[in-house]
Amino acid sequence: DADVTQTPRNRITKTGKRIMLECSQTKGHDRMYWYRQDPGLGLRLIYYSFDVKDINKGEISDGYSVSRQAQAKFSLSLESAIPNQTALYFCATSVTSGIGNEQFFGPGTRLTVL
Amino acid sequence: AQSVTQLDSQVPVFEEAPVELRCNYSSSVSVYLFWYVQYPNQGLQLLLKYLSGSTLVESINGFEAEFNKSQTSFHLRKPSVHISDTAEYFCAVSDPGYSTLTFGKGTMLLVSP
Repeated sequence: DADVTQTPRNRITKTGKRIMLECSQTKGHDRMYWYRQDPGLGLRLIYYSFDVKDINKGEISDGYSVSRQAQAKFSLSLESAIPNQTALYFCATSVTSGIGNEQFFGPGTRLTVL
Repeated sequence: AQSVTQLDSQVPVFEEAPVELRCNYSSSVSVYLFWYVQYPNQGLQLLLKYLSGSTLVESINGFEAEFNKSQTSFHLRKPSVHISDTAEYFCAVSDPGYSTLTFGKGTMLLVSP
């Protein structure tokens, strides 16, 4: 079984709809991240959480919100989806201790907003 | 704040040829540097990283990268590529506190027979 899972893997929705993307991990990591990937733009950080009570905005948080329901779960919500939120979304996790720790990525959710 | 520049969006190369993927960074503090690889339809995986010590770091599949502080670069090289190396490669930087990673825009390595 995958250590970092994302649901759904693909989603098509309409402008104005509320949508939630979910991320679960079995790695026991404290830190979790949400990124979006757009062709030619690389990965950009949306939100990150260092523990259940710690939520931080990333580079492009406008139009998004998150919820850290438990150490293992980190959800990303689009309250009112718009077409320029069409992208590939990745969740990632890492440990807190040590330095330069690897981030482990989920398989991604491809979101299309019509 | 840090930033990463990957100068080439796409690098086509023939199998068994050498390749270099360029990465330059900008930061006012010391940094940690990473290369991640994304195979088609997959998430990213760590390829190699520089934290401190030897400026030349290697991966298990033959890639290497050299940290050059004076040129603020961390170029990725492989002396002989395989078809299976076809993927997108991302350079990333973090500050010493390692709060977050900043990624470059990626370089697509296209290996053909």
